[in-house]
Amino acid sequence: DGGITQSPKYLFRKEGQNVTLSCEQNLNHDAMYWYRQDPGQGLRLIYYSQIVNDFQKGDIAEGYSVSREKKESFPLTVTSAQKNPTAFYLCASSIWRGGPNEQFFGPGTRLTVL
Amino acid sequence: GESVGLHLPTLSVQEGDNSIINCAYSNSASDYFIWYKQESGKGPQFIIDIRSNMDKRQGQRVTVLLNKTVKHLSLQIAATQPGDSAVYFCAEDRVSGGGADGLTFGKGTHLIIQP
Repeated sequence: DGGITQSPKYLFRKEGQNVTLSCEQNLNHDAMYWYRQDPGQGLRLIYYSQIVNDFQKGDIAEGYSVSREKKESFPLTVTSAQKNPTAFYLCASSIWRGGPNEQFFGPGTRLTVL
Repeated sequence: GESVGLHLPTLSVQEGDNSIINCAYSNSASDYFIWYKQESGKGPQFIIDIRSNMDKRQGQRVTVLLNKTVKHLSLQIAATQPGDSAVYFCAEDRVSGGGADGLTFGKGTHLIIQP
């Protein structure tokens, strides 16, 4: 089956610790994205990558870091500098030809800081 | 502030009725709009999209209408079913011009289907 996988589904972190969220896609999509969702809110863009070895900051990049070493993988690190990291994190991917296209989302990772 | 928003946070309809979810946007240069459905604890699921050179697009039981004059987007769901209960988000491309720069989302409307 083609799709996007995120792991783990639930993640608990102590204050002051960095944590890395995994996102893998086998759709052969060029572009990948990370969004954050808080309760009762829409999604906000953290980082995005249009091509391997390149990525750009989204609207709320502070306290986060990413890498894009492989086309199919786009891990997100939530650093200790992120002041309010408890949220639902969603990864997405899309093709990048002929303009903007539908983004496919993974199932999400719920991060809780204890 | 956000350039994409929804008029009502909650919409309750009877099973079998049609429902209309509205969305206002402020960026007149936006050229791509998309509707997502999100069930509790899951990732958003694509419903339908529309580009700015169109004013209407139909899918299976869903229709999206785009009114660029008043910067308004709506999602119509025909003959609603219990499985339609979810939060619905409209979104637009963050940077118009054709790049894959991510989407700007509204806060969402919670659609409740009553039996």
